[in-house]
Amino acid sequence: DTAVSQTPKYLVTQMGNDKSIKCEQNLGHDTMYWYKQDSKKFLKIMFSYNNKELIINETVPNRFSPKSPDKAHLNLHINSLELGDSAVYFCASSQGGGSGTDTQYFGPGTRLTVL
Amino acid sequence: QKEVEQNSGPLSVPEGAIASLNCTYSDRGSQSFFWYRQYSGKSPELIMFIYSNGDKEDGRFTAQLNKASQYVSLLIRDSQPSDSATYLCAVNGGGSYIPTFGRGTSLIVHP
Repeated sequence: DTAVSQTPKYLVTQMGNDKSIKCEQNLGHDTMYWYKQDSKKFLKIMFSYNNKELIINETVPNRFSPKSPDKAHLNLHINSLELGDSAVYFCASSQGGGSGTDTQYFGPGTRLTVL
Repeated sequence: QKEVEQNSGPLSVPEGAIASLNCTYSDRGSQSFFWYRQYSGKSPELIMFIYSNGDKEDGRFTAQLNKASQYVSLLIRDSQPSDSATYLCAVNGGGSYIPTFGRGTSLIVHP
């Protein structure tokens, strides 16, 4: 069984469109995350969601919004897509709570290409 | 602003050699330190974590932490071509459970 899954794996779309990426974890973790990895491989946190507490990286445009229907899911909605949004988006989960051994478990990634 | 710095590389070592990967961090309140490996086109996966000063060994991998100097390193003994990947250093603590990742070091192990 896949611990953290994402769909779709690839997403190609036009500028200005709205799209969503889904993420599910079956690890029973309390915290989920969205990361963006650009072409230079820099992994940058976008959101963290822990027991209804949403922590937003202030540099993330408000066109990006996370939606969590329950503890096992954290979906990412993107409005009015721009060329600069092209990247690989990783969902991750962890036990959370600031534990010193709080390991991130990553999904397989979604490669978004905006044309 | 927490910063985690890594040399982007590539670091090229011959098969069988020791690969040494280094990471420095800016926040003295950092408590936990992680090394992730990322193969091309794949997602990061944890190699090991460390939170006490000194060395921690796991098979061919040794993590070294020096909080006074604010650096953490990863040694890979008997490097294999299959170790060729990008190695990401991540740091958390200091009031936040959200890790800060470095940009990663690309390692190439050539036969």
